[in-house]
Amino acid sequence: SAVISQKPSRDICQRGTSLTIQCQVDSQVTMMFWYRQQPGQSLTLIATANQGSEATYESGFVIDKFPISRPNLTFSTLTVSNMSPEDSSIYLCSVGGQGSGNTIYFGEGSWLTVV
Amino acid sequence: GNSVTQMEGPVTLSEEAFLTINCTYTATGYPSLFWYVQYPGEGLQLLLKATKADDKGSNKGFEATYRKETTSFHLEKGSVQVSDSAVYFCALALNTGNQFYFGTGTSLTVIP
Repeated sequence: SAVISQKPSRDICQRGTSLTIQCQVDSQVTMMFWYRQQPGQSLTLIATANQGSEATYESGFVIDKFPISRPNLTFSTLTVSNMSPEDSSIYLCSVGGQGSGNTIYFGEGSWLTVV
Repeated sequence: GNSVTQMEGPVTLSEEAFLTINCTYTATGYPSLFWYVQYPGEGLQLLLKATKADDKGSNKGFEATYRKETTSFHLEKGSVQVSDSAVYFCALALNTGNQFYFGTGTSLTVIP
């Protein structure tokens, strides 16, 4: 499976600021996914990021709040904009899908606390 | 619709006890089924998977069998260790897309 590295691993952010999370994969992948895991909750898909096209957002998530870049087949960023305490979550980058035996693999996550 | 229902936690067991975490699913078509594990302070790791009915996934002493007749994928381990303390997520993926559906997670604590 691919090795997925995320930065930052943890951060404490001020309300109203924005933070960009980076996801680097050690091999080229077609599909990259961004998930959110709120405290004590399960995972919710934010968006799917394909290289060379706009990200596809799930219901309840919008590009203005969570802009995503996918400049090449090994890298993606997720920005959490104008943060509020409700954005305190783990943000997880993942790769895989149909082309990987229908399996997705996760990075270590970025643990954000908004104060 | 598609969904995964997991046994509510938290679960607390003594070391060497038998573990079962129940997972049932609802899906259109024939999904693949997964168990992921999240150790404290870490991301999710794939624990095991099964892609068709009657398949058994196994890893690190954990097992789960894909039961189509009961739409279940229960996780079992014969003898748990303190190091198994984690949150376990059951998930399904449809074979017609990249959409994953996760259960709510079951927290397991193993005490010496």
